[in-house]
Amino acid sequence: GESVGLHLPTLSVQEGDNSIINCAYSNSASDYFIWYKQESGKGPQFIIDIRSNMDKRQGQRVTVLLNKTVKHLSLQIAATQPGDSAVYFCAENYSTGRRALTFGSGTRLQVQP
Amino acid sequence: DADVTQTPRNRITKTGKRIMLECSQTKGHDRMYWYRQDPGLGLRLIYYSFDVKDINKGEISDGYSVSRQAQAKFSLSLESAIPNQTALYFCATSDFGLAGGETQYFGPGTRLLVL
Repeated sequence: GESVGLHLPTLSVQEGDNSIINCAYSNSASDYFIWYKQESGKGPQFIIDIRSNMDKRQGQRVTVLLNKTVKHLSLQIAATQPGDSAVYFCAENYSTGRRALTFGSGTRLQVQP
Repeated sequence: DADVTQTPRNRITKTGKRIMLECSQTKGHDRMYWYRQDPGLGLRLIYYSFDVKDINKGEISDGYSVSRQAQAKFSLSLESAIPNQTALYFCATSDFGLAGGETQYFGPGTRLLVL
């Protein structure tokens, strides 16, 4: 099985409940943020992104909230399903710069049936 | 994502051996990246390339080298493998996302074990 994320913080939720995954970033100059989902044995997959001129952006069943004052990002998943079980990473960057993305350490989401 | 492929998917090697991990993409992106992933540490950037002639070191480039043979190909080499290079390696390509910033697309990963 996949050993990546063995020591990651874990969020356990019941199927159908809403999930909130949090991320703190350190670089106040970052102006672009992404959430990725990584399922066991696969590469990270893009979920949703947001620029710093927004504080909220919605996708299908997912919402990203950005609080630049405290450098905090969250991912909300509505009506969590078993297929949402994965490791979730936030990433930050300058939208127009040459610096590559910086990833957070990740959170494991476990959905209980 | 089938548009980004990595070979091999799994590799076992011995300390001191030279190995190469290969990445190919059909997305037509100029930017390509190599990351390693260790338990509890997320993704760490090894090298990145903004085009064929533009290659940059990431945060953990020591012990690694890269070659950008073409827009579609970016190879990672371990000149003399050591056990602490045992990890999961990901290649990625990027373009600009819906919010106007850079979005990366990842390959399936290569699991490397150095004995």
